[in-house]
Amino acid sequence: AQSVAQPEDQVNVAEGNPLTVKCTYSVSGNPYLFWYVQYPNRGLQFLLKYITGDNLVKGSYGFEAEFNKSQTSFHLKKPSALVSDSALYFCAVRDLGDKLIFGTGTRLQVFP
Amino acid sequence: NAGVTQTPKFQVLKTGQSMTLQCAQDMNHNSMYWYRQDPGMGLRLIYYSASEGTTDKGEVPNGYNVSRLNKREFSLRLESAAPSQTSVYFCASSEKTRFSEQFFGPGTRLTVL
Repeated sequence: AQSVAQPEDQVNVAEGNPLTVKCTYSVSGNPYLFWYVQYPNRGLQFLLKYITGDNLVKGSYGFEAEFNKSQTSFHLKKPSALVSDSALYFCAVRDLGDKLIFGTGTRLQVFP
Repeated sequence: NAGVTQTPKFQVLKTGQSMTLQCAQDMNHNSMYWYRQDPGMGLRLIYYSASEGTTDKGEVPNGYNVSRLNKREFSLRLESAAPSQTSVYFCASSEKTRFSEQFFGPGTRLTVL
């Protein structure tokens, strides 16, 4: 069965510093991977996805993610964090059909 | 475009009461989904619909029923609410391809007393 794991419940980073939110996956076949962000009291918003091709995927709000097949990882990154990036981040993998399997989420806190 | 809309935004029920959560999308998507979000557990799929007239169970379907009324609307019904169904419920929709991202509604916060 497809699955994703987000090993950190919370990540703290100072504004202006680079940030990384970790995600590892387990799939049979080709992985189709997604990152979503959830701001307080809001629905999830799509950030970026990996389907095939370049291992570095660029997305919304300056975020990017690095696909690493040998380490089965898809970490979310941003070169310079903003306080407004503070939110809950979810990694997801495509399951059978059109379904997504979500990780448990990582809370990102960016301090001024 | 409004995207994905959900009603109501908040609801408090007593154990045993019933209610229907409404969801509509205006993006002409074939696939629609209902999730619940609980602290520390991420999002779990309750039911989904790959097209008008079809529905399938997800990971946690017990205690829920769904109706795909037409291509735009997908409702979730709790026939006899239980405290374990206290959660935030999200509706989502997507194109019917393996590469498509899902678009989410704003959520319904449900409390069952």
